[in-house]
Amino acid sequence: DAKTTQPPSMDCAEGRAANLPCNHSTISGNEYVYWYRQIHSQGPQYIIHGLKNNETNEMASLIITEDRKSSTLILPHATLRDTAVYYCIVRDTIMGSGYALNFGKGTSLLVTP
Amino acid sequence: DVKVTQSSRYLVKRTGEKVFLECVQDMDHENMFWYRQDPGLGLRLIYFSYDVKMKEKGDIPEGYSVSREKKERFSLILESASTNQTSMYLCASSLSGTGGQETQYFGPGTRLLVL
Repeated sequence: DAKTTQPPSMDCAEGRAANLPCNHSTISGNEYVYWYRQIHSQGPQYIIHGLKNNETNEMASLIITEDRKSSTLILPHATLRDTAVYYCIVRDTIMGSGYALNFGKGTSLLVTP
Repeated sequence: DVKVTQSSRYLVKRTGEKVFLECVQDMDHENMFWYRQDPGLGLRLIYFSYDVKMKEKGDIPEGYSVSREKKERFSLILESASTNQTSMYLCASSLSGTGGQETQYFGPGTRLLVL
């Protein structure tokens, strides 16, 4: 799987949009971009994933650049409960079902009142 | 919603004890996974299963075994617990397939302390 680079930490004011960047410059055509988050002492929570097109669900939006070398996860109206470590993962689904997810270090997002 | 449950949130065991961690998923997923998570080391795959009674070793299988007798249930067994197995244990499940279908969904985790 391609390597990802994320800033170690970010702050966001409650109610504002949180934009979390991820660089994956070596991504290949078969690789999806996945985002998870982990709130302290809990299991990772799936947020969203995409291949080429921008994606939106009830939790967030995922913007992938045209060259696919980077992406941004957007939490449109951050709340205090969004404080967590956010992981950007690039995964080749052609590798098969048993492929472990490489979570890396992620971005620690702090949402402040 | 996908639901993955784990039998305990916290466990305290003594060195040498046999420990059973159970995971149940309710979405009819073919694949199930056991990871451990340690500070500075991220998530490491211990074992995974792609079907009933089928299992494959992950990156760190030593000291562990698994059992999958039913599709919805995947057990992790520590044959003789040791202090270096103190960790957060995470179970996950996913569908089989391609095209982004294999999203892994995680349980809440079991924090195991071996004394």
